[in-house]
Amino acid sequence: NAGVMQNPRHLVRRRGQEARLRCSPMKGHSHVYWYRQLPEEGLKFMVYLQKENIIDESGMPKERFSAEFPKEGPSILRIQQVVRGDSAAYFCASSLGGDNTEAFFGQGTRLTVV
Amino acid sequence: AQSVTQLGSHVSVSEGALVLLRCNYSSSVPPYLFWYVQYPNQGLQLLLKYTTGATLVKGINGFEAEFKKSETSFHLTKPSAHMSDAAEYFCAVSLYNAGNMLTFGGGTRLMVKP
Repeated sequence: NAGVMQNPRHLVRRRGQEARLRCSPMKGHSHVYWYRQLPEEGLKFMVYLQKENIIDESGMPKERFSAEFPKEGPSILRIQQVVRGDSAAYFCASSLGGDNTEAFFGQGTRLTVV
Repeated sequence: AQSVTQLGSHVSVSEGALVLLRCNYSSSVPPYLFWYVQYPNQGLQLLLKYTTGATLVKGINGFEAEFKKSETSFHLTKPSAHMSDAAEYFCAVSLYNAGNMLTFGGGTRLMVKP
């Protein structure tokens, strides 16, 4: 029973390029959460999605960042025109949903912008 | 609004000594509280959580935490440190007992000396 799968594990992008981070939730999970961990800092909530819906994006930067969780396939966090400050570890978590389930974390994608 | 403060970004103990990692929170409503552990280049693993009921919560790997409402604290303890406990520990708060949409503290890196 596979856990939350994130790929790639490491991603290097030049300034101005696009970064696409993928998250496949645990089997049966329909709720996905993205967090960002900047160097030497804790995790910060970015966005909460259910299938085909964005539930809460209060933690998403207003520009260049977007997220989706389509009916089929993984959730995607997309960063356009990356800058050095986007270098961080991006973690995805998934849950069954509702108020009585636990969120499980993936191993993260480490983005480096050069 | 919620926030979490972890006192001490680095804590060093000797093997066999008591581990005490401090966490204070603020929340406008009764919170749900969590401790996660992160090993190098890994995702987060849930150690324990407080939702309702008994204020002393036991988790995995011999860790426990006590919810003290009057002190707005949720400190993590372990009677005897093991070398394998060396990792980063994060305290988090949520409005939901499922661990959805977590607000994390800045983390405490635990070092265990032989």
